[in-house]
Amino acid sequence: GAGVSQSPSNKVTEKGKDVELRCDPISGHTALYWYRQSLGQGLEFLIYFQGNSAPDKSGLPSDRFSAERTGGSVSTLTIQRTQQEDSAVYLCASSPKTLREQETQYFGPGTRLLVL
Amino acid sequence: AQSVTQLDSQVPVFEEAPVELRCNYSSSVSVYLFWYVQYPNQGLQLLLKYLSGSTLVKGINGFEAEFNKSQTSFHLRKPSVHISDTAEYFCAVSNTGGFKTIFGAGTRLFVKA
Repeated sequence: GAGVSQSPSNKVTEKGKDVELRCDPISGHTALYWYRQSLGQGLEFLIYFQGNSAPDKSGLPSDRFSAERTGGSVSTLTIQRTQQEDSAVYLCASSPKTLREQETQYFGPGTRLLVL
Repeated sequence: AQSVTQLDSQVPVFEEAPVELRCNYSSSVSVYLFWYVQYPNQGLQLLLKYLSGSTLVKGINGFEAEFNKSQTSFHLRKPSVHISDTAEYFCAVSNTGGFKTIFGAGTRLFVKA
């Protein structure tokens, strides 16, 4: 079946603009994660959704970052007033369930964001 | 708080040689451990995971890892590497019953002919 998809694949924006990154998880997966991968660094956890709720937003780097998930499916990560340090690859992953057993996360190809 | 340390940022190795990629973690609770691989221009995919049971875990493409609780390590090994194993490898940890996964900084494996 179809994997996790993300759009756009690449985004170039000017400092101060807002951007929206989209994630389509695998159908039926209730858990959804956003990560940020900066050049030469590992994955930084941003936020996790179980269904439409986000029990843990602690990874969001600032109040310029927000995310929502509607209908238990598609998620949007929004970055307001982008800064150059926001430049990174933003990865989305989904998994079938997480409550008691750590399921494998299935990753999308990422959105490469460049803030000029 | 949990953390993951991948001790080598880059590992160059000749084809058909053995390789070990090192990973140490810290956690005050029981953990699940993972290795993910990211091939050039591709997304991350799971290589193997330790949830419970046997401490030696076998994954795809001939890789295996051993969970050592006393040394808080989960090193990844392959007895004979191929050019196609050139990729970045990420070790990750999460606490049992939880959802948050902490990733290491990654180790870039470069296999030379």
